[in-house]
Amino acid sequence: GIQVEQSPPDLILQEGANSTLRCNFSDSVNNLQWFHQNPWGQLINLFYIPSGTKQNGRLSATTVATERYSLLYISSSQTTDSGVYFCAVGAKPGSARQLTFGSGTQLTVLP
Amino acid sequence: NAGVTQTPKFQVLKTGQSMTLQCAQDMNHNSMYWYRQDPGMGLRLIYYSASEGTTDKGEVPNGYNVSRLNKREFSLRLESAAPSQTSVYFCASSVELQDLYNSPLHFGNGTRLTVT
Repeated sequence: GIQVEQSPPDLILQEGANSTLRCNFSDSVNNLQWFHQNPWGQLINLFYIPSGTKQNGRLSATTVATERYSLLYISSSQTTDSGVYFCAVGAKPGSARQLTFGSGTQLTVLP
Repeated sequence: NAGVTQTPKFQVLKTGQSMTLQCAQDMNHNSMYWYRQDPGMGLRLIYYSASEGTTDKGEVPNGYNVSRLNKREFSLRLESAAPSQTSVYFCASSVELQDLYNSPLHFGNGTRLTVT
């Protein structure tokens, strides 16, 4: 199956700083999603982005499928951005049944 | 919209007891999933249901059974709980039409299960 590696595993920022989280994958993908798990354990879907660039407020994501990586950018970070960020990848478009999850990046934003 | 609703939020079982985790979605999604999340292991798929009336095994199905009761509801049953099933369980759903290039996965809030 597809291997997924996220980096860095841990990141500590001061409020207001920017950050870039990376997701590398070992094979071609047609399904890539980013999730945020907040400190209360809730998992929120941030982006469905098998290729290209998307933006949602202070968050944006870029996937370069030909080079097998995706980046999640967080600008002007806030304490509410703390939590774990997961990427999940799969070969079949629109299908979650073959998604492989990375081990996550633990982000802590300090006030 | 409530999205994906799971019950209960917390449960403690003794080894050998049985229980059913309930999940319902109100987004008219076709596919539903059960995952477990363990420290250092990430999220692993237990079972999924591509549509009403169908279910299939995921990566870690042993010790579990599922029922897709109707389009909205997908339950997970532990017949004889074991300490190795201590975990956080998440239900999820997605539209998942064939080759649809925008089918994000939506999660419930999770059930924290402890088996002693």
